[in-house]
Amino acid sequence: GENVEQHPSTLSVQEGDSAVIKCTYSDSASNYFPWYKQELGKRPQLIIDIRSNVGEKKDQRIAVTLNKTAKHFSLHITETQPEDSAVYFCAASNVGGGNKLTFGTGTQLKVEL
Amino acid sequence: DTGVSQDPRHKITKRGQNVTFRCDPISEHNRLYWYRQTLGQGPEFLTYFQNEAQLEKSRLLSDRFSAERPKGSFSTLEIQRTEQGDSAMYLCASSPTGEIRYGYTFGSGTRLTVV
Repeated sequence: GENVEQHPSTLSVQEGDSAVIKCTYSDSASNYFPWYKQELGKRPQLIIDIRSNVGEKKDQRIAVTLNKTAKHFSLHITETQPEDSAVYFCAASNVGGGNKLTFGTGTQLKVEL
Repeated sequence: DTGVSQDPRHKITKRGQNVTFRCDPISEHNRLYWYRQTLGQGPEFLTYFQNEAQLEKSRLLSDRFSAERPKGSFSTLEIQRTEQGDSAMYLCASSPTGEIRYGYTFGSGTRLTVV
């Protein structure tokens, strides 16, 4: 089955700096890669996603890059703000295989003033 | 409310008791997923339905767990003879078939504590 590894487990940045979270996956059949943000005690919320036919996608301060050959993808947050503080999860799935997501272990992002 | 609803939000039960959780997906979504999340970990896939058909179950889903989606709308997840290791957040999610532009929408979860 799919295995997703995520690094770092914790990340502390100053407000206004950039944050980068990296994930690797093992199953070459995976073709959909979403990122979720989860605040304490709340549901995971989809913030951005990318399909395997695209190398990069951007939405305002958030961007995701995908390297299919190396089987890794990354989340980039620019101009970080205190409200970006949360746990971020990457995930991978095979859309044709039921789209069940395999999640990484999460990154606790703390944006300090 | 057009989101995914889960009930109850919290459940405390004694070891050995049975518990049942309910999930109401977004009405136009015909796929429904159950995940389990323990503290400090990412959600783990348990099972999913397309309409009323249960199409896949994880090895994590022991014989004590059963899920149903009788009319292709709401779903229930039952855990029989609960164990302390069952303590976790149980998340439900839904998505439309074939169009994953918006990915999953998760519910707020049911937090189970087995004492």
